[in-house]
Order: sequence, then structure tokens, then C-alpha cells
Amino acid sequence: KAGVTQTPRYLIKTRGQQVTLSCSPISGHRSVSWYQQTPGQGLQFLFEYFSETQRNKGNFPGRFSGRQFSNSRSEMNVSTLELGDSALYLCASSLEARQTQETQYFGPGTRLLVL
Amino acid sequence: AQKITQTQPGMFVQEKEAVTLDCTYDTSDPSYGLFWYKQPSSGEMIFLIYQGSYDQQNATEGRYSLNFQKARKSANLVISASQLGDSAMYFCAMVGGGADGLTFGKGTHLIIQP
Repeated sequence: KAGVTQTPRYLIKTRGQQVTLSCSPISGHRSVSWYQQTPGQGLQFLFEYFSETQRNKGNFPGRFSGRQFSNSRSEMNVSTLELGDSALYLCASSLEARQTQETQYFGPGTRLLVL
Repeated sequence: AQKITQTQPGMFVQEKEAVTLDCTYDTSDPSYGLFWYKQPSSGEMIFLIYQGSYDQQNATEGRYSLNFQKARKSANLVISASQLGDSAMYFCAMVGGGADGLTFGKGTHLIIQP
């Protein structure tokens, strides 16, 4: 069974631009979560989607948004990019809406550099 | 609020030795899950092992075992017979009953020396 895939793997943007990242979960997984990883802040939860609905959202500004499609694929969008948005963005999928016993499986991540 | 503390920023271990990575957690939820992930330099987070708060026995997965001490709120990862390929960042994470996503520690950079 294929793992979580993320595209693109690397991205360079300039301040003020917007960017869309894509995530395809493991086949059969219905929940997709997004995380941001930076050297300063570590790994931080962005949001979780299940059945095309956002279930939870982390403490990030409204410039960060996402959506999930009927096939469970998810996209996240960052508008008006800032230098501080440079990070590794990780997508994770799990079978069901996250409960304490659900394991999240991560993709390889998208490395975003904002210049 | 939930919190994960990993007190070892980095560790050097000789190949074939066992290694223990420390993790303490803080939560007021009676139901929670604890996870360990490995992150090589490539960036992908690889799931290693899971322990539920109500599990009576310590979790094991091959060379990985989790030393779960609930009263001390401790969930240390033990890697037996370390290999060069074990060199990576290791993250302890948890999720509680009403949590917004996994809460991660700051990680431990493990380097296995030949």
C-alpha cells in the first residue's frame, strides 16, 4: 500500500505570494492533518480534516487555510507569504477522525522557502 | 494544555549498544496516546511505536520498546542493539481526548557511532 504523498517536495516563493501544497493520504484513510516544522518553533499542528470538514485548527493566522476533497486528498494554502513561513510542511493521515489510539502516518513533507 | 519534554538535545551511542531516549509528558486528560517518531535527515516522520494511557503492558515493536511509567508521566523509548541507520532525530508526541493535533517534544538528535 502506498504511503502518504506530498507535492511539491520543494518550493521557493517570494514574500507576498501565495502557495498551495497537496497531500494524498494512504488509501482508505479519511483523516488528514497538517503540521509546520521550523527550527525555532518545532512541530506545530495546523489543522485536521475529516470527511471534507475541518475538525480542528491550531494557533495559526487566517492566512493558513486548507480543504479536503471527497477522495480524502487535501490541500493547504498560505496567502501573503512571509519570511517566517519558511518551513517543512508535513501532512499526516489516519484511518478515522483522530482519537487517542489513531496513529498518524506522515508524508515526506514539502520544504517551502520564502525569499 | 498538553506538554511533552525531551531533555536530551543530542546523544552519541556506540553501535550495538542499547539506548534510552527520555520523554515526560503533562496532561489532565485521563485518556491519551503516546507516540514516538523517527525523522531522518530526509525529513519524513516515521512512526515507531504507540502506547495508550490505559494499556497495562509496555508496547514493543521489534527493536523498539516503550518504558511507560504512568505515575511518573514518563514514556521513554528504548532501542536495543543500535545500528548506524538509527542515527536520526527522535520525537515523542502525544494526543489527548480533546487535543488539537499531536503535541510534539523538541526532539533528541541520536548519532550512532561505529
